[in-house]
Formats: sequence, structure tokens, C-alpha cells
Amino acid sequence: KAGVTQTPRYLIKTRGQQVTLSCSPISGHRSVSWYQQTPGQGLQFLFEYFSETQRNKGNFPGRFSGRQFSNSRSEMNVSTLELGDSALYLCASSLTGAGSSTEAFFGQGTRLTVV
Amino acid sequence: SQQGEEDPQALSIQEGENATMNCSYKTSINNLQWYRQNSGRGLVHLILIRSNEREKHSGRLRVTLDTSKKSSSLLITASRAADTASYFCAKDNAGNMLTFGGGTRLMVKP
Repeated sequence: KAGVTQTPRYLIKTRGQQVTLSCSPISGHRSVSWYQQTPGQGLQFLFEYFSETQRNKGNFPGRFSGRQFSNSRSEMNVSTLELGDSALYLCASSLTGAGSSTEAFFGQGTRLTVV
Repeated sequence: SQQGEEDPQALSIQEGENATMNCSYKTSINNLQWYRQNSGRGLVHLILIRSNEREKHSGRLRVTLDTSKKSSSLLITASRAADTASYFCAKDNAGNMLTFGGGTRLMVKP
């Protein structure tokens, strides 16, 4: 069974640019969540999608957005990149939806460096 | 702000010893999960313990939960060098929104 796939693995962007990251969840998983990990702030929740609908959103500016497609694949976009957006972005997929708590399976992450 | 706070922040032990990591949280939980992360890579799920459970085991791992003290602990017995990693606890809110603590960096020396 294939795991969670995130692409690309590494990315270098310039301040002011925008970036799109992709996540393919485990087959059959309909919930996809995104997290940002930095040395200073640790792991922080960005947003969660279930059946193409955003159900939860973390405390991040509107420059961070995402979407989920009908095949459950998800993308997140960051516009007008800032140096502070440099981080490891992690995607996680889960089998069940709201009200059920199950384990989350994480991808290897996308390492974004903003210069 | 981070919901779960791990203690200690760093732990160094010899192979064969036991490692204990603690996690405290501030508000009520549905469940609490423990994850391992190797060298800035993806997170690996270890154990999920529900609020009505007090203890769970998985191989060399034992997790306890004390809801009255709002705390959990992860015990790794007979540690191995391969256990070297960062360990995180995460409060699980309904809707698959995990709130992570700062993590414990465990180093197991051969």
C-alpha cells in the first residue's frame, strides 16, 4: 500500500514569489491535513480538507490556501512568499472524518527555502 | 500556542536503558497521540490513547494517560540506537486537527 506522497521534496523560492505543494494521500483516505514545521514555532496546523471541503483552518494569514480534488489529492499554495515561510511542510492523511479520531499518516514533507 | 508540552526537551541515554518522556496539555482532549520524527523527515504514528483509556502498549512502547492531571507519558523500554529521534505528543481534536507539543529529542548512544 503506497504511503502519503508529497512533491516536490525540496524547493527554493525567492521572496515575493508563490509556491504550490502537492500531496497524494493513501488510497481510500478522504481527510488531508497540512502542517508547517519550523525550529522556532514547531509543528503548526495549517488546514484540513475532507471530501473537497475545508473543515478546519489554523492561525495562518490568507496567503496560505489549499484545496482538495475529487480524488482526495490536495494542494497548498503560499503567495507572496516571505523569508519566514521557510519550513518543512507536512501533509497527513486519515481514513475517517469529523468526530472520529484515527491515526494520521504523514508524508516525508516538502522542504521550502525562501531566499 | 502549543497544546501539548513535552518534558524533557532533550534526553540522552545508553542503549538498553529505558526512556521516559512526559507530555502535559491544557484543555480537555478526545485522545492523545504520540509520533516519532527522524531528522526532520515525516512523522511516524506510534500510539493513540483515548481519553477513557489509562494505558496502552505497543511492542517496547508504553503510553499512560492521566486526564485528572492532564498529562501523558511515553516509555520506551530497552532502547536501541535506532530509537534516536524526536518524539511528539499531539492533542487530537475532532476533525483531524492535531496540536503538537515542542517534542523531546532522544539520543540513544550505542
